Amino acid sequence: DTEVTQTPKHLVMGMTNKKSLKCEQHMGHRAMYWYKQKAKKPPELMFVYSYEKLSINESVPSRFSPECPNSSLLNLHLHALQPEDSALYLCASSQVSAQPQHFGDGTRLSIL
Amino acid sequence: GIQVEQSPPDLILQEGANSTLRCNFSDSVNNLQWFHQNPWGQLINLFYIPSGTKQNGRLSATTVATERYSLLYISSSQTTDSGVYFCASTSGGYNKLIFGAGTRLAVHP
Repeated sequence: DTEVTQTPKHLVMGMTNKKSLKCEQHMGHRAMYWYKQKAKKPPELMFVYSYEKLSINESVPSRFSPECPNSSLLNLHLHALQPEDSALYLCASSQVSAQPQHFGDGTRLSIL
Repeated sequence: GIQVEQSPPDLILQEGANSTLRCNFSDSVNNLQWFHQNPWGQLINLFYIPSGTKQNGRLSATTVATERYSLLYISSSQTTDSGVYFCASTSGGYNKLIFGAGTRLAVHP
């Protein structure tokens, strides 16, 4: 689903670094999502934004901080991550009251 | 929340073979989707199929919502079909997409 663009594709960071993942869509969708996928596991929901407001937080640790600056953009700010946070992070978007969800290609994150 | 079971967990095929993947749900579902995750991690939408049958080339899918299952058919498989196939759905009025554990498919030439 190349209509949802994620940057960077790969990210290596230390446990004391601060970095951000970015996601952009131009399909006019008003719901955006962050998922985390560990190796050999299915994606798991982290956050949902509806109309630029946080509507679901799946008890994600505060070292992950989402932000939705406008209807097309979704960020995930990272700070003081742990090695177990290494994973593929997927962004998705959809209409608020209807599916399907469209996924980006993901950011593969490695924590040293 | 709903439970999603996929079968089989692993599947090995010779190129040209046909296969059927199954997805069972513990509760009523809506917004059912099938995905293919390729070896590079890209999660590709195959079908959005809350009910009924759809076809796209060599792939087709059927969802019987009243019986809480969906099937994905792959015909004349190719090596590029290798990867993991996920079904997923929301339940109730929530946007949370619940994924099955996936079927890992390997197609050999």
